[in-house]
Amino acid sequence: EIVLAQSPATLSLSPGERATLSCRASQTIGSYLAWYQQKPGQSPRLLIYDASNRAAGIPARFSGSGSGTDFTLTISSLEPEDFALYYCQQGYNWPPMYTFGQGTKLEIK
Amino acid sequence: QVQLQESGPGLVKPSQTLSLTCAVSGGSISSGAYSFNWVRQHPGKGLEWIGYISDSGSTYYNPSLKSRATMSVDTSKNRFSLRLTSVTPADTAVYYCAAGDFGENWIDPWGQGTLVTVSS
Repeated sequence: EIVLAQSPATLSLSPGERATLSCRASQTIGSYLAWYQQKPGQSPRLLIYDASNRAAGIPARFSGSGSGTDFTLTISSLEPEDFALYYCQQGYNWPPMYTFGQGTKLEIK
Repeated sequence: QVQLQESGPGLVKPSQTLSLTCAVSGGSISSGAYSFNWVRQHPGKGLEWIGYISDSGSTYYNPSLKSRATMSVDTSKNRFSLRLTSVTPADTAVYYCAAGDFGENWIDPWGQGTLVTVSS
């Protein structure tokens, strides 16, 4: 099973600051990585797919990068609505055996 | 984009079978454009992928569920389902149904989720 390790567990920042979230895979996964945002009481929302492609309707301040085992989600200038939980997910295997990271909580400092 | 809505009992007794259905609207489940997933989230915890089903009924499951999970598609009613047998309190979670573009490996969109509690 491919394990995804997200860091940090909690990130405390202020609106307007830049956020950098990391996701490391236990083996190479190419670019088969997605990022999701989840707010309390809501279902996850796809932000980024294939490591660096923004999903439809996602603001340009969200960007993804990386390949192989190390990936980054960057939020260039935090808006109040960006404070939430963020998960990475890999889709490298076929047949599918999707796994998620344990999440990073982005909180207001 | 399709919309998804879960339905099913909110309370299941230990050792019984959890059964959930996901209604798909805004698109045909048999169009070949989508694949479908179930994902769960234990209270206050992260996301766990349960399984995947294609519109033709090919299924793949998370081995950690030890063959307790079964997914099926009902094209006549444009919905898909999950059955999880021999449940224990550890199966208490919010269960999400979700779609994905066929052939792709991300999950979008998601249903709103339904809380299932396993308790006597």
